[in-house]
Amino acid sequence: QMQLVESGGGAVQPGSSLRLSCAASGFEFSNYAIHWVRQAPGKGLEWIGVVSYDGARANYTDSMKGRFTVSRDNARSTVFLQMNSLTTEDTATYYCAKDSFRCTVNSCSSGRFFFYMTLWGKGTMVTVSS
Amino acid sequence: DIQMTQSPSILSASVGDRVTITCRASQSIPNWLAWYQQKPGRAPKLLMYRASILESGVPSRFSGGGSGTEFTLTITNLQPDDFAIYYCQQYISYSGVSFGGGTKVDLK
Repeated sequence: QMQLVESGGGAVQPGSSLRLSCAASGFEFSNYAIHWVRQAPGKGLEWIGVVSYDGARANYTDSMKGRFTVSRDNARSTVFLQMNSLTTEDTATYYCAKDSFRCTVNSCSSGRFFFYMTLWGKGTMVTVSS
Repeated sequence: DIQMTQSPSILSASVGDRVTITCRASQSIPNWLAWYQQKPGRAPKLLMYRASILESGVPSRFSGGGSGTEFTLTITNLQPDDFAIYYCQQYISYSGVSFGGGTKVDLK
């Protein structure tokens, strides 16, 4: 059964850093890009970024570039979201999600490597408060 | 950046109704659009992609249409399980994806 499980959330103070993990199982992890999406309490979905199937490329929404970093370890079937200089505005549930497109070296060597999200984790809550 | 705008933000309906949600893109995205359903306390679930292709297992009472900048999600014969929040998402951009603000379908 395909599954994504996020972990690493919790309560932190403004200015802190936090690293979230997303552990995958049940599918060929190393062939798919993985996204991070967050949702502040009572608000809509906000895309954070995506890492390519091989970890060589990552794209981010402009507002989080430079502060958030997505990476992956294919040997451990895990994706990470490193978040620095957290503010109260970063309080949200953070989801990882599997992309729809199965990449190979030929199909994703350049250009597009992400599309839409077919599998989501249950999310991990991050609360930033003093 | 491509902005996605959904309307209405809240839609009140009854079981058995036919409801339509609209999603507009700030520039043309041909049919590079997905729809998701989210229930309280749950992760989003993919309903549809390429604007009108149902994900496996999604009931046929859901349908999608449109192209370019205007898209619709229609639910015919609304069921109790369909009361949820619906989001559209564009995926044409090479730099990133973006979501609409969401439409809550609640009980009239």
